[in-house]
Amino acid sequence: QKEVEQDPGPLSVPEGAIVSLNCTYSNSAFQYFMWYRQYSRKGPELLMYTYSSGNKEDGRFTAQVDKSSKYISLFIRDSQPSDSATYLCAMSAGSNYQLIWGAGTKLIIKP
Amino acid sequence: DAGVIQSPRHEVTEMGQEVTLRCKPISGHDYLFWYRQTMMRGLELLIYFNNNVPIDDSGMPEDRFSAKMPNASFSTLKIQPSEPRDSAVYFCASSVNSPGPSYEQYFGPGTRLTVT
Repeated sequence: QKEVEQDPGPLSVPEGAIVSLNCTYSNSAFQYFMWYRQYSRKGPELLMYTYSSGNKEDGRFTAQVDKSSKYISLFIRDSQPSDSATYLCAMSAGSNYQLIWGAGTKLIIKP
Repeated sequence: DAGVIQSPRHEVTEMGQEVTLRCKPISGHDYLFWYRQTMMRGLELLIYFNNNVPIDDSGMPEDRFSAKMPNASFSTLKIQPSEPRDSAVYFCASSVNSPGPSYEQYFGPGTRLTVT
């Protein structure tokens, strides 16, 4: 079993829909949780970063962490075609700078 | 800053040949990471350096792979001899050890390697 599980999709939704992307993990030591966005033929770039449990909001994006369930989510409101990309979750226990990555979910927003 | 620079962007080579991938991290960053990405296995960490010193190379698939960081502004990943199963996109990323936790890794554009 992988330390971080993420459904690879693809997930296809119409423009304007609310999107929910999720990851589960097994290591209770993880404290730092990140979402990276990767456009086709580009490197990943950091989208959201959360420490420990709780919510964090940035514009149309909301990141949630539920450490009791070992479950993290990324919500995208009013989704746009420009949000079409692969979204990777990543996490760390904090003892070093090594990140443990999910497989990435390919998201397609249909105009 | 120009960001993380990788070269070449594309490499096509024949099985058995030596391949060298190059990376220039962002100036001032003291961590450098080499990743491999495939559809089947996703993003895999191969090796990472801190202040030019290799810290963890447990992700290097086998002895055919080697990485060096002779100075703070340059790193190489070498595959010798290359095999078709090495075909993937190889990313270099860098990050900085800032006060407080900072896990943002800045990725280069990647090198798309095809071994025939």
